[in-house]
Amino acid sequence: QVQLVESGGGLVKPGGSLRLSCAASGFTFSDYYMSWIRQAPGKGLEWVSYISSSSSYTNYADSVKGRFTISRDNAKNSLYLQMNSLRAEDTAVYYCARDMSSTALIWAFDIWGQGTMVTVSS
Amino acid sequence: QSALTQPPSASGSPGQSVTISCTGTSSDVGGYNYVSWYQQHPGKAPKLMIYEVSKRPSGVPDRFSGSKSGNMASLTVSGLQAEDEADYYCSSYAGSNNLGVFGTGTKVTVL
Repeated sequence: QVQLVESGGGLVKPGGSLRLSCAASGFTFSDYYMSWIRQAPGKGLEWVSYISSSSSYTNYADSVKGRFTISRDNAKNSLYLQMNSLRAEDTAVYYCARDMSSTALIWAFDIWGQGTMVTVSS
Repeated sequence: QSALTQPPSASGSPGQSVTISCTGTSSDVGGYNYVSWYQQHPGKAPKLMIYEVSKRPSGVPDRFSGSKSGNMASLTVSGLQAEDEADYYCSSYAGSNNLGVFGTGTKVTVL
C-alpha cells in the first residue's frame, strides 16, 4: 500500500545535528513533490521544507533556512532532512508528506508518514 | 510568513453543521486557489480533507465541503458525527518565495 515511513529522530543537544529519513513505498516516488512538515508538542502544523520531483527546486521556511537541507534519492525511494545547528524550538514531530499531484505543486498533502520525534535539549 | 488565523474552537451537536474560518492575506489565501484542509485526531498524522479550495479526495465524505471568498477560506462539516471530533488545520500556497503556510488550528467538539 501507499506508505511513508520516517526514521532518524531522537534526542540531540542544542547546536547538534540530526538526519531524518523517509522511506516511500507503493507509488512512483520520483513523480511527486515532497515536503517536511513539523508539529511542536501541543502546537499546530508548520511547513518546513519542500523539494521538487527531480530535486531541481527546494525551498525552506524562514525558521530553518540556512540550517536545514532537504534532499531525495529517487533510486532509493527516499527523502531526507539534514538538520544542523539545532535549537530547542526545533523540538517537534517531523512528518514527511507527499503533494498529491504528480504534475505540479498544488499544496495538497495526501500521504503522510507517522512522524518521527526530534527533541533538542541539553 | 505568518500563520493563517483560525478560531481556536468550534462545536456542534450530532447532525448539526459547523463552519471553520481560515483568514489569510492576498499573498496566500486570496492570491491562489491552493487552499487545503486537514483533520488530525490525537496522536495521529493529519489527513487531507479538502484541496484546491473545494475538492474532496477520494474517500472523504461529502459532509465535508470547502469554499473561499477573498482572503478567507471556510470548511463546513454537515451532519456532524462523533468521529468528526478532531483538530482541523487549513493551509495555503503562498508563492514561490514563501511557498506555504498552515493555519493556527481549530478544535472541533461534538457535543
